[in-house]
Amino acid sequence: SYELTQPPSVSVSPGQTARITCSGDALPKQYAYWYQQKPGQAPVLVIYKDSERPSGIPERFSGSSSGTTVTLTISGVQAEDEADYYCQSADSSGTLWVFGGGTKLTVL
Amino acid sequence: QVQLVQSGAEVKKPGASVKVSCKASGYTFTSYAMHWVRQAPGQRLEWMGWINAGNGNTKYSQKFQGRVTITRDTSASTAYMELSSLRSEDTAVYYCARDVLDCSGGSCAPVGTFDIWGQGTMVTVSS
Repeated sequence: SYELTQPPSVSVSPGQTARITCSGDALPKQYAYWYQQKPGQAPVLVIYKDSERPSGIPERFSGSSSGTTVTLTISGVQAEDEADYYCQSADSSGTLWVFGGGTKLTVL
Repeated sequence: QVQLVQSGAEVKKPGASVKVSCKASGYTFTSYAMHWVRQAPGQRLEWMGWINAGNGNTKYSQKFQGRVTITRDTSASTAYMELSSLRSEDTAVYYCARDVLDCSGGSCAPVGTFDIWGQGTMVTVSS
C-alpha cells in the first residue's frame, strides 16, 4: 500500500524557521496537503494543493514541492505552533488517500 | 457558519458494530464529499473512506474494505460511518471531514482538501 514518510520530530527555537518534509512516490503527480493538530483537537488544514494557504492561516506557513518530496515551512516559529503536523495525499489512482506518520514540532 | 457535528462517544464489545453520525450545516451538503478518518490513542491519522454526498458513491481503504460502510441521508444533511466486527484495535477517535468534489472529468471525485472537520467521536472497544 502507498505510504508517505515524515520525520518523527523537529525542534526549533522561537523565531527560527522550521521545515518538515514528506516523501512519497506519487507526490510528483498528486497534490499534498498539510494539517496541524494540537492535543485533544481535530486537525486543521494549513496548506492545500502543495502551496496554497487557506484563509485565516498565518502567512508564516508555506508549502513547496520538489519531485517526490514536499515541504512545510514555518517561518518565525511561535510557541503556539507547537503541534503535530501531518501531510496527506492520494495514491497514483487519485481516489485512495493516505496520511504521513506525523511530525511533532517542538518549540524550544 | 460551516460546521460538522458528530454523535457522542460509544463503548462497544468486541464483535459488535458501531455507527457514527456527522451532521453538516452552513453549506450545500450534496455538493461535497465526506471522508472518515480515525486516530488511535497516540497514533497517526488513518484514512478510512469517502462518500460523494450527492450521488452516494463510495470508496474505501483496503484496510477496512468489508468492515466499513459509509452512507448519507441527504434530507438530514448527515453522513454515517458504520464499522463492524469491532476489535480492541478499533478503539480510536473517529472524525468526519468535508472535501471539495471535482466533477470536471465526467465523474466526481474528492480533491483532498479536508477543509472542515467534525469534533471527533471516541469509540472504545472493550469486553
